[in-house]
Amino acid sequence: TQLLEQSPQFLSIQEGENLTVYCNSSSVFSSLQWYRQEPGEGPVLLVTVVTGGEVKKLKRLTFQFGDARKDSSLHITAAQPGDTGLYLCAVAGAGGTSYGKLTFGQGTILTVHP
Amino acid sequence: GAVVSQHPSWVICKSGTSVKIECRSLDFQATTMFWYRQFPKQSLMLMATSNEGSKATYEQGVEKDKFLINHASLTLSTLTVTSAHPEDSSFYICSARESDSLNTEAFFGQGTRLTVV
Repeated sequence: TQLLEQSPQFLSIQEGENLTVYCNSSSVFSSLQWYRQEPGEGPVLLVTVVTGGEVKKLKRLTFQFGDARKDSSLHITAAQPGDTGLYLCAVAGAGGTSYGKLTFGQGTILTVHP
Repeated sequence: GAVVSQHPSWVICKSGTSVKIECRSLDFQATTMFWYRQFPKQSLMLMATSNEGSKATYEQGVEKDKFLINHASLTLSTLTVTSAHPEDSSFYICSARESDSLNTEAFFGQGTRLTVV
């Protein structure tokens, strides 16, 4: 059973369109992270959400943490070809040496066509 | 910001040989580093937790005798894929978190593409 269910797995859209990626779980988390990964590179942290109901914005990206801290979403407004990549949600281990140990969702491969 | 460097970025080896991948934290000390494997168009799967000065902790299903991890200093962890086979071809990524920090953020290396022929 996957701890984090991420959807959709693939998304192919035209430049200028909006999109939303979802990350759901039956577990409650103290925080959740979103990463973006380009081919041949390691993931890069976009944001960490901590508080239930929290909304964070990063330019055209809007991240939301569910009120119950079980789910999160990433919304991109007016997508651009430069947004193309693999988007991953992740949660960290609870304590001790588990800090920094991440469990990832399945990932969403986003392709934005010019 | 914190930088994690992996070497090499890519490697091709013959089946049956061993390959060593290095993961270095360049501007911070890391008691703990993590090794992930990623197959094409898939997510990252944790293989093992590398602990400085002690044995690594392997995730279920990962063969510890095949994927040897050594964390001899606070800035370097190595992953050696022994007797590599084509099915070991994958993208291997390490991450590290700063020692004595309550921040859960871990910083990723750029990854190593291993191709076994």
